[in-house]
Amino acid sequence: GAVVSQHPSWVICKSGTSVKIECRSLDFQATTMFWYRQFPKQSLMLMATSNEGSKATYEQGVEKDKFLINHASLTLSTLTVTSAHPEDSSFYICSARVTSGGYEQYFGPGTRLTVT
Amino acid sequence: AQKITQTQPGMFVQEKEAVTLDCTYDTSDQSYGLFWYKQPSSGEMIFLIYQGSYDEQNATEGRYSLNFQKARKSANLVISASQLGDSAMYFCAMREHYNTDKLIFGTGTRLQVFP
Repeated sequence: GAVVSQHPSWVICKSGTSVKIECRSLDFQATTMFWYRQFPKQSLMLMATSNEGSKATYEQGVEKDKFLINHASLTLSTLTVTSAHPEDSSFYICSARVTSGGYEQYFGPGTRLTVT
Repeated sequence: AQKITQTQPGMFVQEKEAVTLDCTYDTSDQSYGLFWYKQPSSGEMIFLIYQGSYDEQNATEGRYSLNFQKARKSANLVISASQLGDSAMYFCAMREHYNTDKLIFGTGTRLQVFP
């Protein structure tokens, strides 16, 4: 099956700094990738849809200036959490759909962010 | 309004027994897709099964089957012959508007399989 990787798998950063999370589709091309956020023992909440070569589409309530998304190629999307605060600590998961069709979304293993 | 409802926060099942995880959904679309994902403690989301709204047959994938009752707007996951490795969180999700990719997730059900 298709593989999506995320890097780093976990990161600790100080309050006020920025951190970048990478999402890569390893063996397929993905025009569209998705970024989700999951708080402990809660469900996944879609943050934004990342489109290759264009601006991301953010869900209501998600600050686009805080969560910068760049989809520079058909295999890479990045999420940058700017000026991180402790309340940004969460599990961030990306997913991608095969460009050539199909209904299935493939998820990355997630990145656990802790802001101290 | 909540789009996906999973009313069972936790379920227990004995090894080798079957278990049903409930999911109801709300949509006014005629074309939509329903998914089940498994999330072990490691965090990755594992795709289990998919049901399209126009599919006449209930979806099956190995030990997983989806009991799709369109009129009731329910899409329950049935796991047969439970294994200890099935212990995990299970999420039901819906994709509205058949041609989009946005998934809306339910709150999940934690399944514990005991020997």
